[in-house]
Amino acid sequence: DAKTTQPPSMDCAEGRAANLPCNHSTISGNEYVYWYRQIHSQGPQYIIHGLKNNETNEMASLIITEDRKSSTLILPHATLRDTAVYYCIVRVALAEGAQKLVFGQGTRLTINP
Amino acid sequence: KAGVTQTPRYLIKTRGQQVTLSCSPISGHRSVSWYQQTPGQGLQFLFEYFSETQRNKGNFPGRFSGRQFSNSRSEMNVSTLELGDSALYLCASSRGTGSNEKLFFGSGTQLSVL
Repeated sequence: DAKTTQPPSMDCAEGRAANLPCNHSTISGNEYVYWYRQIHSQGPQYIIHGLKNNETNEMASLIITEDRKSSTLILPHATLRDTAVYYCIVRVALAEGAQKLVFGQGTRLTINP
Repeated sequence: KAGVTQTPRYLIKTRGQQVTLSCSPISGHRSVSWYQQTPGQGLQFLFEYFSETQRNKGNFPGRFSGRQFSNSRSEMNVSTLELGDSALYLCASSRGTGSNEKLFFGSGTQLSVL
């Protein structure tokens, strides 16, 4: 399975951009990178995903390097409500179309006022 | 549109008992997968169902089982509970099983085994 590596924790000032890095050096060509976040004791919330192009939605931007070995999630204007654990995940394609998400330990992002 | 619904929200059991957890996916979603989350091991894949068929199973003992019904609702069962089974059990649904399909998670069932 492709594995991801993230810093265990990060801090960011409210109103600033939060840039969360992720390494996935063993990712395969057909495996997507997904980002989820989890606020304590709730289910993970989908943020964004991509294959090889940069992506943007109302929540965040995803920058994937050309070799696809790493990516960065950008929260453009962080708020206190963005404090959560952020997971960078590789969507592993299995035989017969089955899929699973392989979670790492995530980055605990703290937004400071 | 209602999200993924998991019941019950909290559950307390004793060692040796069995437990059944329920998951109702988002309307129109046919794929349901289950994950276990513990402080030590993090989030780990349990199994995935699509059209009532188990597509893949994670590295868990046979005490963990599941099924999916024709309306896409899913249940997972854990028999002969052990203390180490205490965890947050999360269900996720998606429309299909393609790599580009977003998974939506429920709030989970917090299981405590005493």
